[in-house]
Amino acid sequence: GQNIDQPTEMTATEGAIVQINCTYQTSGFNGLFWYQQHAGEAPTFLSYNVLDGLEEKGRFSSFLSRSKGYSYLLLKELQMKDSASYLCAVREVVGTNAGKSTFGDGTTLTVKP
Amino acid sequence: GAVVSQHPSRVICKSGTSVKIECRSLDFQATTMFWYRQFPKKSLMLMATSNEGSKATYEQGVEKDKFLINHASLTLSTLTVTSAHPEDSSFYICSAAGNSNQPQHFGDGTRLSIL
Repeated sequence: GQNIDQPTEMTATEGAIVQINCTYQTSGFNGLFWYQQHAGEAPTFLSYNVLDGLEEKGRFSSFLSRSKGYSYLLLKELQMKDSASYLCAVREVVGTNAGKSTFGDGTTLTVKP
Repeated sequence: GAVVSQHPSRVICKSGTSVKIECRSLDFQATTMFWYRQFPKKSLMLMATSNEGSKATYEQGVEKDKFLINHASLTLSTLTVTSAHPEDSSFYICSAAGNSNQPQHFGDGTRLSIL
């Protein structure tokens, strides 16, 4: 099984930078994903890390350290529309449930003016 | 980008009704589809993993006879909530993955309300 931990809530100011951490304990690992979910809507894919290091995509970056079981999502130049829940998900090793991911409980980010 | 269509977006019906929800991958072939349930302010709870042409794999505690899943083609999976009751009211979301190296892409979800 998998255990994924991320903070429940975070607050930041418009224009600032915020880092959302995710730690995981797994028996296997085949990639880590970050999703954004606005209230009442389905999650949307943000980023994917399978190797150690930083992946940058516009205002969003995601970092992975497999040896530490640790990832973070970095959001720069925060905008009000970034207020949402951010879900960390770890995919199990390919097998009978190829592609199956376990999701953390999500971090609710509130961006204030 | 990858597009997953889920229909209907909202259902309101009487207790005892069976409700079918469709999940389609529009621009890729999905070897695997996933069905989730989400309660307010809670994370996604995986109900079952659906593989094309084979029986779905249900998570522990999910009733197979209550939540029927059919993955008839590489682009379509359906979830049928049989004889729905008020406690089945929830937000149901499907996702699809082209293969094990690609991320899951989610449908827009179906908000089910049983009166």
